[in-house]
This record gives sequence, structure tokens and C-alpha cells, in this order.
Amino acid sequence: AQTVTQSQPEMSVQEAETVTLSCTYDTSESNYYLFWYKQPPSRQMILVIRQEAYKQQNATENRFSVNFQKAAKSFSLKISDSQLGDTAMYFCAFSNSGAGSYQLTFGKGTKLSVIP
Amino acid sequence: DTGVSQDPRHKITKRGQNVTFRCDPISEHNRLYWYRQTLGQGPEFLTYFQNEAQLEKSRLLSDRFSAERPKGSFSTLEIQRTEQGDSAMYLCASSLDTGANTEAFFGQGTRLTVV
Repeated sequence: AQTVTQSQPEMSVQEAETVTLSCTYDTSESNYYLFWYKQPPSRQMILVIRQEAYKQQNATENRFSVNFQKAAKSFSLKISDSQLGDTAMYFCAFSNSGAGSYQLTFGKGTKLSVIP
Repeated sequence: DTGVSQDPRHKITKRGQNVTFRCDPISEHNRLYWYRQTLGQGPEFLTYFQNEAQLEKSRLLSDRFSAERPKGSFSTLEIQRTEQGDSAMYLCASSLDTGANTEAFFGQGTRLTVV
């Protein structure tokens, strides 16, 4: 079974600064997908960024980028130029590849507060 | 509305009562998922439908839980004889099967409180 660990329950960052959220995972699979989801207060979860394990290049989406270290099973999220709207719970998630349900296994989340 | 819709948003029920939640996925999505999220935890997978077929169920889905997706459209999740431990946010998500792992879109969830 896959497990996802987020070791930072809460973090804060000053507006316009950069913050990195950590995530480690455990799997015996060689190919899989990794995700970061954002869950703002009282709003639905939305996908921030995804990474396919067979791709060596780190994914980037505007101010969001990841540092994917496959050997270390580490998948951190860097948010640059933090904005007040980035305040949310952030969940790291894992999914298998190939056939199957593509169900997501989530970590416990990191609560990020962006301070004006 | 192009998003995943869940109804109701909040439900308070007495222990022992039955409750039913509804999820309307994005119209062209053939995959539908139910997750449960308790306070301080990430969502946990409950069950998955491909069209109308329920293909996977988590061990978290006890006999008191049943899910359906008639005609491969909306889905319902029923909990019978509710217990206080069932109090949680129930999330629905949908995605389109393209042979690859496409993005899952989540609804806002139904928050269940069992008193």
C-alpha cells in the first residue's frame, strides 16, 4: 500500500515571499503520479500541479513548482511570490498509473497562512 | 454549472438514522469517486465507479454504507444506522477516462454531523 507523509502541519509565509511545503511517499511502484491539491476554507479542492514519475523534469505551473526526487521519494511544492489567496490547506497525493481506478492517496495536509 | 455538485452541503442527523447524499459529476465524466475526510486528515478513498459499475470499494466502506450510480450519471451514497464516527466531510470527485490518469475534479462536499 502507498503512504504519503506531510511533516509540516502548519506553515506561514509573508506575502510576496517564497515557501516550500514538504511531502514524502512510499511505494513499490516504478511509475505513478504525484499531485498537490489546494483546499481553501469552505471551498472545493482544486489541483495545483501534477508530476508523472517517469518524467525527470520538474513540473511548473506559474508561481508553483515542484522538486521531485524519485530516489528519495520526495515531492516538495514551492510557491513563489506568495499571495493572500494562497492561504489554504495543501494536500500531497499519490496515484498509480496504468489500468485501475486512479484513486488518490492523500497526506494529512499542511495548513498554509499567507500573512499580509 | 460545469463543476461537480453535491447535495446537501450540510446534514445533521441523530445517531441511528439513515442519510443519503447526492453527487452530480461533470456531465461527460465517466469516472466517479467518493472520499471521506475527517478533521485534521486528508481525504480517504471510499469507492469508485466507472460509468454505472462500482469497481472498487475501500475496507472503510462498511456494510452500513452503500453507493449507487444508476445510468452512469449522478451517484448517491447512503449510510444506514449512522454512528458518531461517521461524522465527516464526504467528498465526490469525477474525471474522464482517457486511458491516462486525468485530473479529478472535486465537489464542495457534504458535511455530516451525527449527534
